[in-house]
Amino acid sequence: DSGVTQTPKHLITATGQRVTLRCSPRSGDLSVYWYQQSLDQGLQFLIQYYNGEERAKGNILERFSAQQFPDLHSELNLSSLELGDSALYFCASSADPHANTGELFFGEGSRLTVL
Amino acid sequence: AQKVTQAQTEISVVEKEDVTLDCVYETRDTTYYLFWYKQPPSGELVFLIRRNSFDEQNEISGRYSWNFQKSTSSFNFTITASQVVDSAVYFCALSEAQGGSEKLVFGKGTKLTVNP
Repeated sequence: DSGVTQTPKHLITATGQRVTLRCSPRSGDLSVYWYQQSLDQGLQFLIQYYNGEERAKGNILERFSAQQFPDLHSELNLSSLELGDSALYFCASSADPHANTGELFFGEGSRLTVL
Repeated sequence: AQKVTQAQTEISVVEKEDVTLDCVYETRDTTYYLFWYKQPPSGELVFLIRRNSFDEQNEISGRYSWNFQKSTSSFNFTITASQVVDSAVYFCALSEAQGGSEKLVFGKGTKLTVNP
């Protein structure tokens, strides 16, 4: 158990809809990362938040957005869903990126299926 | 730019065989971290090892061993006496750990199937 909690574990929805994925980092971790794992693109970094602020951005679509709340949990919002958004979405956390330990702790993922 | 290449898409072995998973990386930084993760059929990512760029010592953990060679930018993973439970997708990843971000760049993964 990594200590990172993601909900929901599975989600099935239709094209055009909007969903929210939630992540609670390990206790004390300030940084949250979101990754998308799809069959064709592999594991792709989407976005990172550190203590409530966006720190790094990867291949995140404009239809997707994220935020980190004062209690450090994070939400990834996916809107105008397309079939290609079907994927496993992982959240990871780290204590302090400036510590440069290079260590991320991954949640079990949220599997999104868009029909 | 950072890049991780796992040239082997799929490997199939018979139980008790040794198997080596290759990983080649590209980075311009002198300080970086390399990782291996295991993803079993259940889907979660299981951390196996982290190695920083200044430590080229090979590491052994039970049936697992890792060979880090900066000269060839490789970080290969060997499973000795493979078992059916080793069947999974294995990912190699790189983190440059700078600028307050430790985002990982993953390879495409190698699917290992160990047959009884």
